[in-house]
Amino acid sequence: AQSVAQPEDQVNVAEGNPLTVKCTYSVSGNPYLFWYVQYPNRGLQFLLKYITGDNLVKGSYGFEAEFNKSQTSFHLKKPSALVSDSALYFCAVRDMGTGGFKTIFGAGTRLFVKA
Amino acid sequence: KAGVTQTPRYLIKTRGQQVTLSCSPISGHRSVSWYQQTPGQGLQFLFEYFSETQRNKGNFPGRFSGRQFSNSRSEMNVSTLELGDSALYLCASSSSIAGVAYNEQFFGPGTRLTVL
Repeated sequence: AQSVAQPEDQVNVAEGNPLTVKCTYSVSGNPYLFWYVQYPNRGLQFLLKYITGDNLVKGSYGFEAEFNKSQTSFHLKKPSALVSDSALYFCAVRDMGTGGFKTIFGAGTRLFVKA
Repeated sequence: KAGVTQTPRYLIKTRGQQVTLSCSPISGHRSVSWYQQTPGQGLQFLFEYFSETQRNKGNFPGRFSGRQFSNSRSEMNVSTLELGDSALYLCASSSSIAGVAYNEQFFGPGTRLTVL
């Protein structure tokens, strides 16, 4: 079965420093991978996705993610963190269910950016 | 375009009661999914509807049910509420076409359900 792992519950980084939020996946076919962000008391917002093609995917708010097939990873990155990036980040994979597709989310990683 | 809307935003119920949550997707989106979010279990998939048909269902008891109307609006119902049903219930819509896996989802703000 498809699965997603986010090995870090929390990531702390100083403002201006680069950030990385890790994600590894397990799929049986072509991976469709996503990153979402959740700000307090709000729903999830789409950041970026990998379907095929370039391994480096660029998304919203200056975020990017690197797809690595050999390491089955899809780490989220940003060159220079902002305090406003502090939020809960979810990695997700699309999985084929019995009647269609469903999204499986990782447990989430809380990012704290300190001024 | 208006985003995904969910009503009500907050609900307080007691054990044994039932509750109905509503979701209006982005105009033109025909796929609606529901998720339960709790601190301990994270985001758990409940079900997905496409053109009024349930396409997929997660591992939840039969007390959890849903439906989708012809205008793509969706409702989910939880009967015989238990304390463990306290959670944030999120609805998401996408422009999913049958057989296409890679469309992103757009989430509503959620309904915070508290069961006392």
